[in-house]
Amino acid sequence: RKEVEQDPGPFNVPEGATVAFNCTYSNSASQSFFWYRQDCRKEPKLLMSVYSSGNEDGRFTAQLNRASQYISLLIRDSKLSDSATYLCVVNGQAGTALIFGKGTTLSVSS
Amino acid sequence: GAVVSQHPSRVICKSGTSVKIECRSLDFQATTMFWYRQFPKQSLMLMATSNEGSKATYEQGVEKDKFLINHASLTLSTLTVTSAHPEDSSFYICSAREFGESYTFGSGTRLTVV
Repeated sequence: RKEVEQDPGPFNVPEGATVAFNCTYSNSASQSFFWYRQDCRKEPKLLMSVYSSGNEDGRFTAQLNRASQYISLLIRDSKLSDSATYLCVVNGQAGTALIFGKGTTLSVSS
Repeated sequence: GAVVSQHPSRVICKSGTSVKIECRSLDFQATTMFWYRQFPKQSLMLMATSNEGSKATYEQGVEKDKFLINHASLTLSTLTVTSAHPEDSSFYICSAREFGESYTFGSGTRLTVV
């Protein structure tokens, strides 16, 4: 079983749509959780951290369910510029390596 | 914020030659750096953890004699792909974390072995 699993997509949505990505992780000892965004042939960039209480950053909302080891990302009012691959990432102890999911590809069209 | 500079961004080499990739932490000291590899449409896979002043820790299945890592200073880690073969063609990327801050990635190196 892979450590971090995501639906690879692709998700093809029109501008303005709401889209949700899901992710599960296998290591119950994981302590930190993130969503990264990766554009084609570029390095990943931190989109947001994910907390058990849920957190929101503009059009983006992330949720964490530790009991079911499940992480989600909701994007509202999709923009063309949101087209990218979204990586679900977990971390054990602070200072150790990040573990990446395979990524979910989003394509927003006009 | 913290910046990690990675060079070269792109390299094409002949099969059998060696390629060195450098990662430098700018404005902060990185006692630990992480090296990842990403094949097309795949996730970033951790290859090794580079520790300043000591031997790197390699992930299972990664040949330490093929992927030489040197972390001789608090701001520089290098990855040398020795005797490169076409199957080593990939996107190599490093990462470091300034204490108390989020992880920062280099811009990646796209290696093509012909």
